Amino acid sequence: DTVMTQSPDSLAVSLGERATINCKSSQSVLYSSNNQNYLGWYQQKPGQPPKLLIYWASTRESGVPDRFSGSGSGTDFTLTISSVQAEDVAVYYCQQYYSIPITFGQGTRLEIK
Amino acid sequence: EVQLVESGGGLVKPGGSLRLSCAASGFTFSDAWMSWVRQAPGKGLEWVGRIKSKTDGGTTDYAAPVKGRFTISGDDSKNTLYLQMNSLKTEDTAVYYCTTLVTYGMDVWGQGTTVTVSS
Repeated sequence: DTVMTQSPDSLAVSLGERATINCKSSQSVLYSSNNQNYLGWYQQKPGQPPKLLIYWASTRESGVPDRFSGSGSGTDFTLTISSVQAEDVAVYYCQQYYSIPITFGQGTRLEIK
Repeated sequence: EVQLVESGGGLVKPGGSLRLSCAASGFTFSDAWMSWVRQAPGKGLEWVGRIKSKTDGGTTDYAAPVKGRFTISGDDSKNTLYLQMNSLKTEDTAVYYCTTLVTYGMDVWGQGTTVTVSS
């Protein structure tokens, strides 16, 4: 199984500051035939289901604010929120869908400082 | 509007069974790959399993903790996905979400239904 490890487990950021969340996979999730990383980022706000934010490691889902960006390839990935807003308080998960079983990181809790 | 609505959760004793349903609307269910994901209280997300569309073979895959106990199926005539859960354990207690499964991830999620396994 591909193990997804996120860091940090939690972080507190001041409004307007940058937040960076890292995700490392135990195996590469880069599919050579289409040069796509099968890596997604999800946001889960309290009491709500998760929401897909980023797919193919760096493509924003429709409607997602451009302050959210994803980067990385192979085994190392980053989710960046360029200017944190109050509504960004949530738990963020990375997920690989390169292989079965699909696996998630343990989650990173974002709070406002 | 694309929508998924789960139902069927509840309290069940260890060793018991439960069937969850997920009613889909707003998209062509028969063409969709679907998935179940669960979240234990205060914990992270755990993939349960998936089913491919019939045109892609209709096959299923499961996570190791549920393999042999859970079965995913779909009824295209009712636009409904099912999760049959047998031999339930206390560690199966969770909110269960159904999701669409596209080539780039899980793009639509239901609100979830709560399953509690307790004596």
